[in-house]
Amino acid sequence: EAQVTQNPRYLITVTGKKLTVTCSQNMNHEYMSWYRQDPGLGLRQIYYSMNVEVTDKGDVPEGYKVSRKEKRNFPLILESPSPNQTSLYFCASSFRTSGNEQFFGPGTRLTVL
Amino acid sequence: QKEVEQNSGPLSVPEGAIASLNCTYSDRGSQSFFWYRQYSGKSPELIMSIYSNGDKEDGRFTAQLNKASQYVSLLIRDSQPSDSATYLCAVNGPGTSGSRLTFGEGTQLTVNP
Repeated sequence: EAQVTQNPRYLITVTGKKLTVTCSQNMNHEYMSWYRQDPGLGLRQIYYSMNVEVTDKGDVPEGYKVSRKEKRNFPLILESPSPNQTSLYFCASSFRTSGNEQFFGPGTRLTVL
Repeated sequence: QKEVEQNSGPLSVPEGAIASLNCTYSDRGSQSFFWYRQYSGKSPELIMSIYSNGDKEDGRFTAQLNKASQYVSLLIRDSQPSDSATYLCAVNGPGTSGSRLTFGEGTQLTVNP
């Protein structure tokens, strides 16, 4: 089944404790992206990757890191999480660019205390 | 001015009526336009994409694009309670070669039986 998977689905952590949210897709997509969704602010892009080893900042990259060492994986790293990073996070992928249909993962609900 | 703006909602229509969702965007260079549906607690799923001026129909859904007015809309005919969700307008751009997808805040639609 073609899909985007994210882990964990739910996470409660404390300020400053490094965490990684994994994202994997099995559709051989070149483009992958991370979004956060907050009430009243909609979906905002954090980082995106056009292909392996090619990443770039989106609208709200502060406090996040990403890497794209393999085509299928695009982990999101929070080196020192803070409460303002409490949010619902979505990973998405598409065939080539954001101009193609993006397929979303199920989401990760993160709470930083 | 926000890059992508949607009518604020929430929008409530009776079952069987036409629901009209509107979206404007700021970047004239935008090339790809999408409507996603998001049920509460779920990830966004694509329901329509449109790339050229005019109408595009798919079942009960019609997307309309007017690049001169920088306007895209979604009509849902014969609305059903199962259409109750938040609808997100997304625009490919701005100003890059397809690397970013910008979302509006969404319009919450309720279809009353």
